[in-house]
Amino acid sequence: AQSVSQHNHHVILSEAASLELGCNYSYGGTVNLFWYVQYPGQHLQLLLKYFSGDPLVKGIKGFEAEFIKSKFSFNLRKPSVQWSDTAEYFCAVNARDDKIIFGKGTRLHILP
Amino acid sequence: DTGVSQDPRHKITKRGQNVTFRCDPISEHNRLYWYRQTLGQGPEFLTYFQNEAQLEKSRLLSDRFSAERPKGSFSTLEIQRTEQGDSAMYLCASVGGYDEQFFGPGTRLTVL
Repeated sequence: AQSVSQHNHHVILSEAASLELGCNYSYGGTVNLFWYVQYPGQHLQLLLKYFSGDPLVKGIKGFEAEFIKSKFSFNLRKPSVQWSDTAEYFCAVNARDDKIIFGKGTRLHILP
Repeated sequence: DTGVSQDPRHKITKRGQNVTFRCDPISEHNRLYWYRQTLGQGPEFLTYFQNEAQLEKSRLLSDRFSAERPKGSFSTLEIQRTEQGDSAMYLCASVGGYDEQFFGPGTRLTVL
């Protein structure tokens, strides 16, 4: 069965710090990979996705993620965070045409 | 706004009552998913439709839960004899041809 593991449950950073959120998945076949963000009081929004091609994916708001197939990882990065990045971040995976499996989320708190 | 709407946005009910939620997906999307999200967790898959056919149900979906998608357009999720453990955010996602899931704002259910 597919599963997604997010290493950090709660991350606190100061503004302008660099961010890396870890995500590992388990599934032997071809997968789609996603990062979703949920700002306080808002619904899930797609940050970026990987379906195929270049393993370095750029998303909205300066976020990027790198798919490393050999490590079953899809870590999210941002070189310089802003206070407005305070939110909960979910890594997710699905096999083609299948349901999405979400990680438990990482709550990111940016100090002004 | 993703184009997916859910109604109601909030529902407070007493234990033992029945509740029904509605999801209106993006009109040209043929796949529709229901997820449930509780505090501190990522969304968990409940069930999924391809057009009007319900193709998969999670074991999380007890006999008290039923979902329909008549005519392959909007979908309803009904919970009978609600329990306090049913309190959660119920999310609907609409999926088109490229596997990207567009989430609605969710219905927050509180069972007293």
